[in-house]
Parts: sequence; structure tokens; C-alpha cells
Amino acid sequence: QVQLVQSGAEVKKPGSSVKVSCKASGGTFSTNTINWVRQAPGQGLEWMGRIIPIFGTINYAQKFQDRVTITADESTNNAYMELSSLRSDDTAVYYCARATDAYNRKGFDLWGQGTKVTVSS
Amino acid sequence: DIQMTQSPSSLSASVGDRVTVTCRASRSISSYLNWYQQKPGKAPKLLIYAASSLQSGVPSRFSGSGSGTDFTLTISSLQPEDFATYYCQQSYNTQLTFGPGTKVDIK
Repeated sequence: QVQLVQSGAEVKKPGSSVKVSCKASGGTFSTNTINWVRQAPGQGLEWMGRIIPIFGTINYAQKFQDRVTITADESTNNAYMELSSLRSDDTAVYYCARATDAYNRKGFDLWGQGTKVTVSS
Repeated sequence: DIQMTQSPSSLSASVGDRVTVTCRASRSISSYLNWYQQKPGKAPKLLIYAASSLQSGVPSRFSGSGSGTDFTLTISSLQPEDFATYYCQQSYNTQLTFGPGTKVDIK
């Protein structure tokens, strides 16, 4: 049974960067899509972008286009989300989530446990 | 971007009640609409995809309907474990967006 296991909590200074990892434990990425979603404290869900590791296809939400980089390493079954120029309003829980089709049409059926990122001076 | 709205933003209901949550897209998204349930401190859980397809393992009291711009999530008989926040999400294009959520709590 595949699980998505994310890296641990981070505390960062404003202006710095954070890189969160997401490992497919017990399986591979196969042809799946890995998405990144964040949730600020007490707020809703916000899609940040996605990657299809086997094809290298990447799409970013326009809001994060200039600050986010999503990558994947098929050899280790890891996906990564790096967010730069951090601000206090980037404080959130960051999730990776799997979609089993290339167009995300079947929704996100498997989620990581979440990584809490705190941005504070 | 396609904007998603949900109504109501919150509701109070009793165990056994029939509950309906509505989601509206700013333009037609065909049937590319998914529903999630989230409990405090937990990752979201997929309930319904493609507007009306029940995700494997999800109880049949959950159902979805709609197409175009207007969609509905229905819980036919609310159970204690269903008190949570529900989000819709459009997957019509490569810029995915979520609705703001509907919190269902105990009356």
C-alpha cells in the first residue's frame, strides 16, 4: 500500500526558502501526478502546482509561478516543492497529494501527512 | 482562474439529517468537480470525483450531482463521523482551484 511520507516541520526566516519532500513509500510514482496544496492556519485549501514525474510535466498556480519550484526524482520516488522569498503569510501546512490521471480529473486520492512551515523572524 | 464558491459557509445539523452543500463555478467546468472532507488536524479525504463518482471505500450516504456550473454534495443521513469541513475542487483545466469550504457541525 503506497503512502506519501513528507519531511518534517520547518521554521524559516522571512526572505529565505524552504524545500519540502514527499516520498512514495511502498511503491513508485508510476504515471501518477503529484500535486502540492497548502493550508494556512484556519483557512481553506490552496493548490500550488503539480508534476507528472514520469513525463516531467509541470504546472504552477499563477499565484506562485514566480516563487515555487516543483521537482521529482524517480530513482528515489521523491517529489519536492521549494518555495522562495518566504513571507509570514506563507506560514501554512503544505501537503503533497496524488492524482492517478494526468489531468487530475479523478481528484486527489492519496495525501501526505502534511508539513508545517512557519515563517517568522 | 475559475473561481469556486460554496454555500452555506457553515451549517448545523443533527445525526440522521439530510445535508446538502452547494458549489458553484464561475464558468462551466463540465463534470470536472471533486469533493473532499477534512477533519481538524488531518489531510483532506476524497469523497466524490467527476461530480458524481463515489471514491472507493466512501460510504454510499455520500452522493454528488451537477454539471456545468452548479454542483451538490448530499449526505443522506448524517453520521457522527461526518462532522467536518467539506471542499469542492474544479479540475477542468491546469489551474486547479478549491472552494472556500463548508463546515458541518453539531446542532
